[in-house]
Amino acid sequence: GAVVSQHPSRVICKSGTSVKIECRSLDFQATTMFWYRQFPKQSLMLMATSNEGSKATYEQGVEKDKFLINHASLTLSTLTVTSAHPEDSSFYICSAVAGRLAKNIQYFGAGTRLSVL
Amino acid sequence: DAKTTQPPSMDCAEGRAANLPCNHSTISGNEYVYWYRQIHSQGPQYIIHGLKNNETNEMASLIITEDRKSSTLILPHATLRDTAVYYCSRADRDDKIIFGKGTRLHILP
Repeated sequence: GAVVSQHPSRVICKSGTSVKIECRSLDFQATTMFWYRQFPKQSLMLMATSNEGSKATYEQGVEKDKFLINHASLTLSTLTVTSAHPEDSSFYICSAVAGRLAKNIQYFGAGTRLSVL
Repeated sequence: DAKTTQPPSMDCAEGRAANLPCNHSTISGNEYVYWYRQIHSQGPQYIIHGLKNNETNEMASLIITEDRKSSTLILPHATLRDTAVYYCSRADRDDKIIFGKGTRLHILP
């Protein structure tokens, strides 16, 4: 089956530092990757869509300079939370899609729990 | 706008079939319905998807009404490990999946 690896699973950092989260598709090439965040007891909120070799498309209300997304290859996308603050503490989840031939099924990483002190 | 409607929570006895409904009355003819579930503090897991016909895999069955305005996910023999939030979803025109609030399924021992 399709496997998406997300790293790290948990990170604790000081306010003002930047944190990078990696998302890799291990056994397929991902035409598109998505980044979500999730607050406790809430649903997943889409932050941005990432296509290999092009700029990410951000959802309304998501600061692109705050959440930097790089999708340098068909198997890797990264999300960098710049100058993190306590309000950025959340559960960040990535997903990858193999394309329309795969019926656009999204395969998710295990998530990264970010705690900003 | 999740464009799907699900009950917020359901209970099911262990060993019985869990039937989770979803309303997607505005779905268009070429849109798939996807089901995912999220066990506490984990990333969502793909379960099944369908277009028109009923589908079955090793995890579940998906029954789609003939008018495609609703569907039901069936877990044939629920176990405690099936306790999770179940999301019924559709992709928008940009192939993005917008998640609604889902159904929190409690499996009762």
